[in-house]
Amino acid sequence: AQSVTQLDSHVSVSEGTPVLLRCNYSSSYSPSLFWYVQHPNKGLQLLLKYTSAATLVKGINGFEAEFKKSETSFHLTKPSAHMSDAAEYFCVVSAPQRTGNQFYFGTGTSLTVIP
Amino acid sequence: EAQVTQNPRYLITVTGKKLTVTCSQNMNHEYMSWYRQDPGLGLRQIYYSMNVEVTDKGDVPEGYKVSRKEKRNFPLILESPSPNQTSLYFCASRLSGLAGRHNEQFFGPGTRLTVL
Repeated sequence: AQSVTQLDSHVSVSEGTPVLLRCNYSSSYSPSLFWYVQHPNKGLQLLLKYTSAATLVKGINGFEAEFKKSETSFHLTKPSAHMSDAAEYFCVVSAPQRTGNQFYFGTGTSLTVIP
Repeated sequence: EAQVTQNPRYLITVTGKKLTVTCSQNMNHEYMSWYRQDPGLGLRQIYYSMNVEVTDKGDVPEGYKVSRKEKRNFPLILESPSPNQTSLYFCASRLSGLAGRHNEQFFGPGTRLTVL
């Protein structure tokens, strides 16, 4: 079975400080993992993805994530938060099913950036 | 511009009145999917389609129907909407849904549905 747990429903950081959004996954197969961002009243945009190549994945807008198989984690980080980073972030695991890949979403982490 | 479009963006309706939310993609993607987003629950998959005339249930299919008669379109049908279907709905597409193909999903802008 596949599942995703986002450990924090809300994270607040000050502008210019590091961001850490935590994600743990469970998968019976070698998973692919994604982070998506959703700004208010907008659709979802892909930040980055891991598909069994390099374990440290760099994405857009300075975000990166590290796949740690031993910890079943895929935490999202950014060295310095910007006001425009305030949004909802979703960790997603993709795993093969009988009829093809299915995506499983975490419940989301709301990031607030304090000026 | 490559995109997924949904219509309508906002809809308020009453219990039992059939409605359809359209979804269209212009990227020649094989795989299309519908999700609903509810507070605290993230996105949950309703139905997905691997290709034309091939559809399958996701995690929360009850009360919904879909069809895939053309590659570009994947409408979501609520035959008899109920208040518990009040939600934000997203359509998404991917180049391929085959196992082992972990390509990016592209999402539409969302449809906010209220059922009174």
